[in-house]
Amino acid sequence: DAKTTQPPSMDCAEGRAANLPCNHSTISGNEYVYWYRQIHSQGPQYIIHGLKNNETNEMASLIITEDRKSSTLILPHATLRDTAVYYCIVKAVNRDDKIIFGKGTRLHILP
Amino acid sequence: NAGVTQTPKFQVLKTGQSMTLQCAQDMNHNSMYWYRQDPGMGLRLIYYSASEGTTDKGEVPNGYNVSRLNKREFSLRLESAAPSQTSVYFCASSDWTGFNEKLFFGSGTQLSVL
Repeated sequence: DAKTTQPPSMDCAEGRAANLPCNHSTISGNEYVYWYRQIHSQGPQYIIHGLKNNETNEMASLIITEDRKSSTLILPHATLRDTAVYYCIVKAVNRDDKIIFGKGTRLHILP
Repeated sequence: NAGVTQTPKFQVLKTGQSMTLQCAQDMNHNSMYWYRQDPGMGLRLIYYSASEGTTDKGEVPNGYNVSRLNKREFSLRLESAAPSQTSVYFCASSDWTGFNEKLFFGSGTQLSVL
């Protein structure tokens, strides 16, 4: 079973910041938080990942709470092309840990 | 680089027929995965291979078999297709480093079983 819980859908106005929450209350110390997105019927695309520090790259920012039980993916200036399903995944460092996707959050960017 | 290549892109089968979905990656990745995605649903892991010569079951392995032919190729076989296996199948690969395991996905195979 997926180790994360996400809202099924969210709306965001174009040009505004999209904040996508993820709950992973049973996360272990050796587990990373990964975010992927799937645009229409394409294969999912990696966005960002982190362990406990906040992370930022050219696509997004990842904010992980101090207790690591939840995180937020931030798309700073959402565009229509960011309309997609966003998946939050928890995966351990060890090689054999499976990568399990949950149902994700369907983000609608409104013009 | 082509990345992860899946063949075929589309396939229609009759119930009881068999087929093999092919997946190849050219990124020298150790780990490879097969997922299925039913309409309006998330991805579910069928099988994965952490390294050449090893395979392990995922969430929904029943009705499927896999072969990690070599480091590049990971095939998924349906021995006797059923309508419940109608889905989009995605192959993915990753290079496990412990601290960074990005998945790279193929474009998918849309399979219909009649």
